[in-house]
Amino acid sequence: AQSVTQLGSHVSVSEGALVLLRCNYSSSVPPYLFWYVQYPNQGLQLLLKYTSAATLVKGINGFEAEFKKSETSFHLTKPSAHMSDAAEYFCAIARSNDYKLSFGAGTTVTVRA
Amino acid sequence: NAGVTQTPKFRVLKTGQSMTLLCAQDMNHEYMYWYRQDPGMGLRLIHYSVGEGTTAKGEVPDGYNVSRLKKQNFLLGLESAAPSQTSVYFCASRQPPGGGGRDTQYFGPGTRLTVL
Repeated sequence: AQSVTQLGSHVSVSEGALVLLRCNYSSSVPPYLFWYVQYPNQGLQLLLKYTSAATLVKGINGFEAEFKKSETSFHLTKPSAHMSDAAEYFCAIARSNDYKLSFGAGTTVTVRA
Repeated sequence: NAGVTQTPKFRVLKTGQSMTLLCAQDMNHEYMYWYRQDPGMGLRLIHYSVGEGTTAKGEVPDGYNVSRLKKQNFLLGLESAAPSQTSVYFCASRQPPGGGGRDTQYFGPGTRLTVL
């Protein structure tokens, strides 16, 4: 079975500081990995995805993530936080030939002025 | 395109009452999903469908039923609501596995359900 673990349920950063959200995965086959963002009272929006191409993946709103097989990680980063980045972020995993996602528990990001 | 829409946005039920949540998508997607979101637990898959007339159980199917009579609609039913079903429900859709972005699930805005 595949799964992801998000380390840290809450992250607080200052505006302009680095945002780092951690996600580790467990999978017996090459995984597809995703980061979704959920703004308050809204649905989930895809930030970026890894589907076995380039290991450094760039997404929307200045976010990027690096797939590291040796560390079974897919951490999400943004060099400079903006107030609008305050949201909940979910890491998710799927098998490459499957159609079901398994989500992590989520990390809530707050941005301090 | 409206994408994925959900009806209603909010609902309050009493224990034992029944209701149906409607999900509609206008992207001609084959696959549709129902999730529930609870604090600290992420999203958990309730039921899904890989095409019109098909349904399958997900991770937490008990207490729910679904139907996919039309390709664009996926209904989630609660026959006898329980307080444990208080949650935010999300619908999603996607194309079958393949290249060119077909692996992305698109989510609706959610339905917030409270069972008293």
